[in-house]
Amino acid sequence: RKEVEQDPGPFNVPEGATVAFNCTYSNSASQSFFWYRQDCRKEPKLLMSVYSSGNEDGRFTAQLNRASQYISLLIRDSKLSDSATYLCVVYGGETGANNLFFGTGTRLTVIP
Amino acid sequence: GAGVSQSPSNKVTEKGKDVELRCDPISGHTALYWYRQSLGQGLEFLIYFQGNSAPDKSGLPSDRFSAERTGGSVSTLTIQRTQQEDSAVYLCASSSDSGSTYNEQFFGPGTRLTVL
Repeated sequence: RKEVEQDPGPFNVPEGATVAFNCTYSNSASQSFFWYRQDCRKEPKLLMSVYSSGNEDGRFTAQLNRASQYISLLIRDSKLSDSATYLCVVYGGETGANNLFFGTGTRLTVIP
Repeated sequence: GAGVSQSPSNKVTEKGKDVELRCDPISGHTALYWYRQSLGQGLEFLIYFQGNSAPDKSGLPSDRFSAERTGGSVSTLTIQRTQQEDSAVYLCASSSDSGSTYNEQFFGPGTRLTVL
């Protein structure tokens, strides 16, 4: 079983739509959670961290459900510039070893 | 300020040849990661360096792959006797890893390796 699983999509949505992505993780001891964005043929960049209480950054809302071990990202009022692949990232918290796990990403295309 | 840089940006090689990929992390970052991303796939962890500790090599797919980090800064990923399945984008990332707290990873632009 993969450490982090995401629906690869693609999600094709019209401008202005609301779209949500989910991600599940297998290690219940995981400590930190993030969403990264990766544009086509570019490197991943941090979009936002995910906090237990949920957090919002403009049109983006991230939620964490520890009991069910899933993370979500909600994008409201989608823009053409939101088209990218969104990577779910989970950090296990142990030092001295790789405990950072990336999902395969969910591809979003916003259509005019 | 300067971000993570990688060279070359593109590398085309013939099957069986050795290649070296270079990563210059952000100055002062103690943690350095190498990943591989094949077309349409997620990031595959290869190796992790943290300060002067022994690197975590658990992600290296075979003994043809090796990496070193000199002086705690620049890192080189070497692939010997390249195979066609090694074709991918090799991404390097660095962070100011402070132990058990995750700090944002900053990625380089990657090296696109094509093995003919």
